[in-house]
Amino acid sequence: EAAVTQSPRSKVAVTGGKVTLSCHQTNNHDYMYWYRQDTGHGLRLIHYSYVADSTEKGDIPDGYKASRPSQENFSLILELASLSQTAVYFCASSGTNSGNTLYFGEGSRLIVV
Amino acid sequence: QQQVRQSPQSLTVWEGETAILNCSYEDSTFDYFPWYHQFPGESPALLIAIRPVSNKKEDGRFTIFFNKREKKFSLHIADSQPGDSATYFCASSSSFSKLVFGQGTSLSVVP
Repeated sequence: EAAVTQSPRSKVAVTGGKVTLSCHQTNNHDYMYWYRQDTGHGLRLIHYSYVADSTEKGDIPDGYKASRPSQENFSLILELASLSQTAVYFCASSGTNSGNTLYFGEGSRLIVV
Repeated sequence: QQQVRQSPQSLTVWEGETAILNCSYEDSTFDYFPWYHQFPGESPALLIAIRPVSNKKEDGRFTIFFNKREKKFSLHIADSQPGDSATYFCASSSSFSKLVFGQGTSLSVVP
């Protein structure tokens, strides 16, 4: 079965600090995504990648960077965490062998204080 | 940003009733329309999807109705069960764009 794992699952960060959320997939998928979930806003795309060593901006990229060092790994980086970045973050993957279906990780709950 | 609008924001139905969740989109190039569901504390997962080669897609108690002219599609959950209580997200995409999700509908099925 498709597997996307995220770490950490939960984190409390200090305003202005650096946060790195990691994602690992064993689906052999080319595409990986980072979404942010807030109540009332659904799932909003932050960054995505379709090949290693390349990332693309999604709909809400401001304040976030992404890194795709390999096909399996995709990280989301908050260089200067802010209160407004408190949210649940989901990583997902998709590929030609899955059609358009997104497979989501378990989510990472980030609280910025 | 291309918009996908979902309504209602929350919905409560009795067990056995049909729940109807609605979605509309703006981009006429969109050609893929999935519904994802998310149970409390879990991640979203694909429930059912349609491509507009037809106006209807059924999978058990779940049916998508698609209206290309009005740029609307809906999810009908027949014989709703308490276990269907979850948040449902519609989404849309094309060959040229990534999936855009609606804001979600929180469904509660009361026994």
